Amino acid sequence: EADIYQTPRYLVIGTGKKITLECSQTMGHDKMYWYQQDPGMELHLIHYSYGVNSTEKGDLSSESTVSRIRTEHFPLTLESARPSHTSQYLCASSSLVASGGGSSYNEQFFGPGTRLTVL
Amino acid sequence: KNQVEQSPQSLIILEGKNCTLQCNYTVSPFSNLRWYKQDTGRGPVSLTIMTFSENTKSNGRYTATLDADTKQSSLHITASQLSDSASYICVVNDRGSTLGRLYFGRGTQLTVWP
Repeated sequence: EADIYQTPRYLVIGTGKKITLECSQTMGHDKMYWYQQDPGMELHLIHYSYGVNSTEKGDLSSESTVSRIRTEHFPLTLESARPSHTSQYLCASSSLVASGGGSSYNEQFFGPGTRLTVL
Repeated sequence: KNQVEQSPQSLIILEGKNCTLQCNYTVSPFSNLRWYKQDTGRGPVSLTIMTFSENTKSNGRYTATLDADTKQSSLHITASQLSDSASYICVVNDRGSTLGRLYFGRGTQLTVWP
């Protein structure tokens, strides 16, 4: 299993609260990602980072923000949680892997996820 | 529009039986196709990754095939076990940039009964 961790695993909070979802990896990967996943639906990329002090928004618009002050740490923050933020949040990091024929690809390793419920 | 479609949406089989999951994609330009296993309440774990030049790859009881011409892939599970109960997600990586973008299917929910 990959060395990528997320806390908390489950969180139930009231509307309007500020929350931070933690993600850390010990593999020294430069690239990290946050995905949002609803039950039975595909993963949607909401944020990514190519390294320290680099953050970009993903394909799915999100009211959350991220920071990347240290290579191993990529926290996600919601300033004011709402019921529409209820979802599973998955963090991932990736490394470049050489495949046959001289090509390469990014192997992504996922954390266990945080199940967020906003009441 | 780049898409990844999986079928069936859900599948129930008896322990010890084989099954095949399907994935059709329209992603272009194509870089590689991945199959992930996601247990309930966990993050996805990679099973196989196939590039354009590979048409089959095995990982234990899991065998993935790829037909880049018809843009279809399948994941065959042999001699299923109760622990195979999970969602199996097909993911296609395009070659649009240095990293490319990952396109995720919605997964096939497999349940293995004793």
